[in-house]
Amino acid sequence: NAGVTQTPKFRILKIGQSMTLQCAQDMNHNYMYWYRQDPGMGLKLIYYSVGAGITDKGEVPNGYNVSRSTTEDFPLRLELAAPSQTSVYFCASSYRRLAGGGRGETQYFGPGTRLLVL
Amino acid sequence: DQQVKQNSPSLSVQEGRISILNCDYTNSMFDYFLWYKKYPAEGPTFLISISSIKDKNEDGRFTVFLNKSAKHLSLHIVPSQPGDSAVYFCAAAGYGNKLVFGAGTILRVKS
Repeated sequence: NAGVTQTPKFRILKIGQSMTLQCAQDMNHNYMYWYRQDPGMGLKLIYYSVGAGITDKGEVPNGYNVSRSTTEDFPLRLELAAPSQTSVYFCASSYRRLAGGGRGETQYFGPGTRLLVL
Repeated sequence: DQQVKQNSPSLSVQEGRISILNCDYTNSMFDYFLWYKKYPAEGPTFLISISSIKDKNEDGRFTVFLNKSAKHLSLHIVPSQPGDSAVYFCAAAGYGNKLVFGAGTILRVKS
């Protein structure tokens, strides 16, 4: 299994440009997530999905869009890039819910996409 | 409002000694806690977790302790090894399957 894969690894965007960050998982996980990590900060949830066709906002959704047409893929779209979106973006997946007592479940993370908006 | 706090940005420990990383949370609805380890240019990897119905969970050199009344958890690494040098994130889950992360603690294990 490749696990969670992300492309590209690094990208430089000009202000106002658009791009899609790709994320795929081959573990047949229902849940998928997008996070961003700014320097010196923890990961913040942008959007998540509990299954194909179902997405919901996380803590910092403004400026981003997502779609989930298949179980495997969960792309993140930036429509009008701004310098505040310079960050490292991580995609993650999990099979089940994490809350509710926990059963050793965890989220599996991709290697990240480093984005610089100038 | 930071719901999960790791107040020590960094920790330096001698090889073979114990490393203790701390984490505090404010939301009493959190019922599942995880520790992740992250190397530079890689994604976080799961280390160990604990449910709120327990106060301790062990996995080899790693032990997580949970004090619900104090809303505090800690990760103990014994003995510490140079390969343990990384950023450690504490995360908490409650209703809705969302993870809330702390800012991370950089652990340096000196040989």
